[in-house]
Amino acid sequence: DTGVSQDPRHKITKRGQNVTFRCDPISEHNRLYWYRQTLGQGPEFLTYFQNEAQLEKSRLLSDRFSAERPKGSFSTLEIQRTEQGDSAMYLCASSLDVDGYTFGSGTRLTVV
Amino acid sequence: QKEVEQNSGPLSVPEGAIASLNCTYSDRVSQSFFWYRQYSGKSPELIMSIYSNGDKEDGRFTAQLNKASQYVSLLIRDSQPSDSATYLCAPRGTGRRALTFGSGTRLQVQP
Repeated sequence: DTGVSQDPRHKITKRGQNVTFRCDPISEHNRLYWYRQTLGQGPEFLTYFQNEAQLEKSRLLSDRFSAERPKGSFSTLEIQRTEQGDSAMYLCASSLDVDGYTFGSGTRLTVV
Repeated sequence: QKEVEQNSGPLSVPEGAIASLNCTYSDRVSQSFFWYRQYSGKSPELIMSIYSNGDKEDGRFTAQLNKASQYVSLLIRDSQPSDSATYLCAPRGTGRRALTFGSGTRLQVQP
């Protein structure tokens, strides 16, 4: 297993455009998490899946953000009508039950 | 009050010294605690987990937990320049499935 894979590594988009990121977790991990991190801050929780069910979503997450995990395998995170404040590193992590996470390399989003 | 508080640093220690990184958390019923290391421009990497009060040692790393004081720490013995990174504390509260991360402490080990 090659770990958690995220695609793309970098994304530059114009304000107002929609973007979608993909995460492939470690195959035997049943839990998948999305976090966002800005410079000098720790990762900020966005949402969490156990298998295909989205069980928790941050109150800070606006309606412009949506995530899916069809069939309990890979996950996608979509941001609609991007804003400059969405510029950040988007991190995906996976775990087996309550074990510690393994993070992917992240997708760096720049909104211009 | 922040859920997880860490001194942002930088904490500067000479090579070979002990680095002590501290973290306090507000959720009194947090049950498990994790320490992550994050090199500049990289994603966080799990280095230690601790679930019970007391000390847990793994190589040069020792995690210490005091639930009564809502305090968890990470000691790094024989610090090396390669230990220079940001260290993130992450407790998991009861009923929470996701970890809450502190903003991290930046450690600089001087050769």
